Amino acid sequence: AQSVTQLDSQVPVFEEAPVELRCNYSSSVSVYLFWYVQYPNQGLQLLLKYLSGSTLVKGINGFEAEFNKSQTSFHLRKPSVHISDTAEYFCAVFLLGRKLIWGLGTSLAVNP
Amino acid sequence: GAGVSQSPSNKVTEKGKDVELRCDPISGHTALYWYRQSLGQGLEFLIYFQGNSAPDKSGLPSDRFSAERTGGSVSTLTIQRTQQEDSAVYLCASSLRGGSPTDTQYFGPGTRLTVL
Repeated sequence: AQSVTQLDSQVPVFEEAPVELRCNYSSSVSVYLFWYVQYPNQGLQLLLKYLSGSTLVKGINGFEAEFNKSQTSFHLRKPSVHISDTAEYFCAVFLLGRKLIWGLGTSLAVNP
Repeated sequence: GAGVSQSPSNKVTEKGKDVELRCDPISGHTALYWYRQSLGQGLEFLIYFQGNSAPDKSGLPSDRFSAERTGGSVSTLTIQRTQQEDSAVYLCASSLRGGSPTDTQYFGPGTRLTVL
């Protein structure tokens, strides 16, 4: 069975500092991986996705993620965060059969 | 263009009552999904509609939950005899075709259901 583990439930960071949000997956088949962001009082928004090809994926708002097959990871990174990046971040894997399987989310709090 | 809309945005109900939650997908999207987001539980898949195909109901937690999609557009999620454990944010998403990881899901703002 496929599953997604987000290793940190909360990540506090100061503005302009780098951040990494960790995601590990388990899957016995080809993986398609996603990061979604949920800003306060807003719906989920696709940040980036890995389908195939280059293992480094760039998304919106300066975020990027690297697919590492040997470590079964898909960590999200940003070199310098802003206050406006404060949000809940969700990692997900697409399950053949049309479903997204989600991690529990990581709450990123950017402090001035 | 307009995104996915859901109504109501908030719903407070008493235990044992029935509730209906509505989702208007993006025009032209043939796939529609319902998820539940409970505190500390992440997102849980509930049901998936794709065009005129039979829906994938494998995520519905009990027979108190049902959903329909009329005319391939608007969808209604119905919870009968609500229980306190049904309290959650119910999210709807739509995508152009469904069934493929290349097909991005677009989410509505959700309906926050509170069962007293």
